[in-house]
Amino acid sequence: SQQGEEDPQALSIQEGENATMNCSYKTSINNLQWYRQNSGRGLVHLILIRSNEREKHSGRLRVTLDTSKKSSSLLITASRAADTASYFCATGFSGNTPLVFGKGTRLSVIA
Amino acid sequence: DGGITQSPKYLFRKEGQNVTLSCEQNLNHDAMYWYRQDPGQGLRLIYYSQIVNDFQKGDIAEGYSVSREKKESFPLTVTSAQKNPTAFYLCASSIGGTVNTEAFFGQGTRLTVV
Repeated sequence: SQQGEEDPQALSIQEGENATMNCSYKTSINNLQWYRQNSGRGLVHLILIRSNEREKHSGRLRVTLDTSKKSSSLLITASRAADTASYFCATGFSGNTPLVFGKGTRLSVIA
Repeated sequence: DGGITQSPKYLFRKEGQNVTLSCEQNLNHDAMYWYRQDPGQGLRLIYYSQIVNDFQKGDIAEGYSVSREKKESFPLTVTSAQKNPTAFYLCASSIGGTVNTEAFFGQGTRLTVV
């Protein structure tokens, strides 16, 4: 079952603009993770935010988590053409339960 | 280099055949996973294993089988019982479970039924 739902499904922006993607989920989580996938390739881990954290930064990435609304957002600042990819949120749980992935947001950054 | 390797990158299967997708990792991870990716549906979990000689079904295990005889290896067999096997298959590993740990992914195998 897919827990995370990303919004929007697709996003097209100009180089230099900021890109914001949202993820909503349904049940309590231990952590939420964001991954990137270039076309036809495997997923690459970007950032993990724990359920007791509200915001986290990594380079041009900023992730927020609102557990009361069961939602997270990923902000990519000053986007580049190389940021063109699909972005997935994944929810992590206590114990040994595998990650549950959303359907992803396809980001296109136009040079 | 440490990582997770899937092979082959492309695989073609005839109707009624079983095919096996390889997944090997040298990260010393206990947990390994197989996901299926179809256009517009994100990743769906097929099987996962938290330890050698043990594995559990995921959400879409029907028509698939796995084994975990070695810590490094988690092959996936797509059997003839899987009616719609054409998809992109991704293998992943993690240190142990997903409590505050990230998953590492292979580059995927694209399976096509011909």
